[in-house]
Amino acid sequence: AQKITQTQPGMFVQEKEAVTLDCTYDTSDPSYGLFWYKQPSSGEMIFLIYQGSYDQQNATEGRYSLNFQKARKSANLVISASQLGDSAMYFCAMSLNSGYSTLTFGKGTMLLVSP
Amino acid sequence: NAGVMQNPRHLVRRRGQEARLRCSPMKGHSHVYWYRQLPEEGLKFMVYLQKENIIDESGMPKERFSAEFPKEGPSILRIQQVVRGDSAAYFCASSPRGVSYNSPLHFGNGTRLTVT
Repeated sequence: AQKITQTQPGMFVQEKEAVTLDCTYDTSDPSYGLFWYKQPSSGEMIFLIYQGSYDQQNATEGRYSLNFQKARKSANLVISASQLGDSAMYFCAMSLNSGYSTLTFGKGTMLLVSP
Repeated sequence: NAGVMQNPRHLVRRRGQEARLRCSPMKGHSHVYWYRQLPEEGLKFMVYLQKENIIDESGMPKERFSAEFPKEGPSILRIQQVVRGDSAAYFCASSPRGVSYNSPLHFGNGTRLTVT
């Protein structure tokens, strides 16, 4: 069974600064995917970025990048040049690539961006 | 292309009543997942369905909860005889081929169930 751990209940960052949200995972399966989702106060779940376990390079999507360290089993989300609209809950999630799989979520990190 | 549609957005039920939550997946998506989110918690997997079939219901309580995804029409999550502990946000997600390599789930806006 897979497990996702997000140890930061809350993070604060000033506008225009970069911030790293931590995520560690645990699985014995060699093939898996790691996802980050954003949940603003309005409640919807917005997909941000994906990293495959066999990907050689760290994933990037605009201001989002994923710092993937396979040996440490970590998949931290880096948000560069924070904006006020980045204030939200951020969830790390994982799926296995074998058979029928589901997404397993961490408990989330609340990010607050101040002016 | 419309996203995942869930309704109602908010649902209030008294203890003992039934709650029916509906989910229409994105066009072309035949895989549907239901998740529950309690306050201050992450999303917990409940059930995974493909058209007319339940693939994995390991996260769904054995009693009072059921889910279906018929050949025609939306997926339905049904909670019978609701209790206060069922109060939560219920999210539906869909994908074209299941969660696997480079295949994220697309989520609806959720149904917030309140049991009084």
